[in-house]
Amino acid sequence: DIQMTQSPSSLSASVGDRVTITCRASQSISSYLNWYQQKPGKAPKVLIYAASSLQSGVPSRFSGSGSGTDFTLTINSLQPEDFATYYCQQSYNTPLTFGGGAKVEIK
Amino acid sequence: EVQLVESGGGLVKPGGSLRLSCAASGFGFSGTWMSWVRQAPGKGLEWIGRIKSKTAGGTTDYAAPVKGRFTISRDDSKDTLYLQMNSLTTEDTAVYYCTAESSYYSGGASYIYFAYWGPGTLVTVSS
Repeated sequence: DIQMTQSPSSLSASVGDRVTITCRASQSISSYLNWYQQKPGKAPKVLIYAASSLQSGVPSRFSGSGSGTDFTLTINSLQPEDFATYYCQQSYNTPLTFGGGAKVEIK
Repeated sequence: EVQLVESGGGLVKPGGSLRLSCAASGFGFSGTWMSWVRQAPGKGLEWIGRIKSKTAGGTTDYAAPVKGRFTISRDDSKDTLYLQMNSLTTEDTAVYYCTAESSYYSGGASYIYFAYWGPGTLVTVSS
């Protein structure tokens, strides 16, 4: 199984900050990497697919990069509604696996 | 508007069974690969299995913790996805999400992601 490791697992940031979350795969997954946002009590929603493609309707302050084993989710100018938990997920092969999550909290 | 609505969750004793349903609307259900993802209380997301569309063979694939105990099926005439769960343990306590997969084609590759999610249904396994 492909293990997905996210860092940090939590961070505190202020509105307007630039936030970067990393995700590392235990083997090369090319660009088969997706990012999701989850708010408390809600279902996750996709932000980025295929490592860098922005899902329709998602604000352009979200961006994804990387290929192979190392990936990054960047949030430019953090907004109040961005405080949530973010998960990466590989779709290279089954079992499909998620990272452990990165909780973005208000400083 | 795409909608996925899970039902059938509840309290069940260890060793018991439960069947979850997911009613889909607003998209071409029969041509869509569907997955179940769960989330134990306070924990992360865990993919538990998928069923492909009938045109792709209708095959299923499961994560190791549920293989042999859980069965995913679909009724395309009713636009409904099912998850039959047997031999439940306390480790299966979680919110269960139904998801619709989408594909993005680029450079000869097909990139799959969970495009739509239901609100989830809580399954509690406890004596």
